[in-house]
Amino acid sequence: QVQLVESGGGLVKPGGSLRLSCAASGFTFSDYFMSWFRQAPGRGPEWVSYIDSGGSAIYYADSVKGRFTISRDNAKNLLYLQMNSLRAEDTAVYYCARGVAPRSFDYWGQGTLVTVSS
Amino acid sequence: EIVLTQSPGTLSLSPGERATLSCRASQSVSSSYLAWYQQKPGQAPRLLIYGASSRATGIPDRFSGSGSGTDFTLTISRLEPEDYAVYYCQLYANSRWTFGQGTKVEIK
Repeated sequence: QVQLVESGGGLVKPGGSLRLSCAASGFTFSDYFMSWFRQAPGRGPEWVSYIDSGGSAIYYADSVKGRFTISRDNAKNLLYLQMNSLRAEDTAVYYCARGVAPRSFDYWGQGTLVTVSS
Repeated sequence: EIVLTQSPGTLSLSPGERATLSCRASQSVSSSYLAWYQQKPGQAPRLLIYGASSRATGIPDRFSGSGSGTDFTLTISRLEPEDYAVYYCQLYANSRWTFGQGTKVEIK
């Protein structure tokens, strides 16, 4: 069965960095585009970043552009989100999700909490 | 930037009743890229509808989606106890995804 498992969240000070990972299993990872989403406490989901199946097309939300970097390792079935220059407003549960045509997301991980606080 | 506005904010209905949720886009959009998700507390969003009207795998047929242009609707024909949740519409456009602010369906 399809599984997405995020890891790497935690407490970090403003200006700090974290790298999130998403381990995929149960499907051919290299066939699917992927995205990261986040959800701040009490708020709706927010799209963060997208990467196509081969890693050549990448998009970012304006709120994270220049600070976050998405990448993937298709040989290891892993998706990453490198987060630098973290701010308090980046505090959220971060989800990875599998993309399906036409541009929706059919499987999501359970999420990993990132807290940015001094 | 296209803004999605969902209404109402909260819908109070009894089991067995029909729920009608609205999602309005700030400009005309492609219905191919309009999706609906359900989210329960402590859980990730769950894809219900894609392409405005196609049910995702395993979604019961009491869930249906419709609409085009700027106005889209999610209908739950007869509410079951497990349907009480928050529902979000989502749009892909211009290399980004946006969500509406959500409609909470609560037990009356």
